[in-house]
Amino acid sequence: AQSVSQHNHHVILSEAASLELGCNYSYGGTVNLFWYVQYPGQHLQLLLKYFSGDPLVKGIKGFEAEFIKSKFSFNLRKPSVQWSDTAEYFCAVNVLGGLTGGGNKLTFGTGTQLKVEL
Amino acid sequence: NAGVTQTPKFQVLKTGQSMTLQCAQDMNHNSMYWYRQDPGMGLRLIYYSASEGTTDKGEVPNGYNVSRLNKREFSLRLESAAPSQTSVYFCASSEAEFYGYTFGSGTRLTVV
Repeated sequence: AQSVSQHNHHVILSEAASLELGCNYSYGGTVNLFWYVQYPGQHLQLLLKYFSGDPLVKGIKGFEAEFIKSKFSFNLRKPSVQWSDTAEYFCAVNVLGGLTGGGNKLTFGTGTQLKVEL
Repeated sequence: NAGVTQTPKFQVLKTGQSMTLQCAQDMNHNSMYWYRQDPGMGLRLIYYSASEGTTDKGEVPNGYNVSRLNKREFSLRLESAAPSQTSVYFCASSEAEFYGYTFGSGTRLTVV
């Protein structure tokens, strides 16, 4: 079964610092990759996604991620974080045809709690 | 706004009580999902429904049942709640694998 690893469980940064959150997955087939963000007390919202083409994808709020197939990685980056970026970030992988009977199963990492200090 | 609506938002149950979590989506999505979120464990799939009329078990189905009432609605039932089911429950829907999921706002359930 596929798995998703997020190695940084808690990250604390000062405003304007650069951010990189790691995400590795364990599946050799065709995958779609996602980053979701969960602000305190809210539901998960899609930040960005990768299906094919340019491995550098840009999402909302200045976030971007790079898909490196050889490393099975999909790291999230932001050049300059803001206090409002304080949230939990989840990497997710969708293995095509990964569910019996259809549907698409997203496998989530355990999340990274980001705290941005003023 | 279009999206996924979950009710209730908060619930406290006593051990052994039953309850149903409701979920409805108005995006005409075929697939719907129930996840639970626990600290340090990310989101784990409980049950899913790939299309109207079908349901299947996910990673952690024990203690739960589901009903896909129609294309819009997908409910999750706890027949006899246990403290281990204290969690935040999210419903989600999707159209196809390219679009990821749209999540509901969650139900925070505490079983005492």
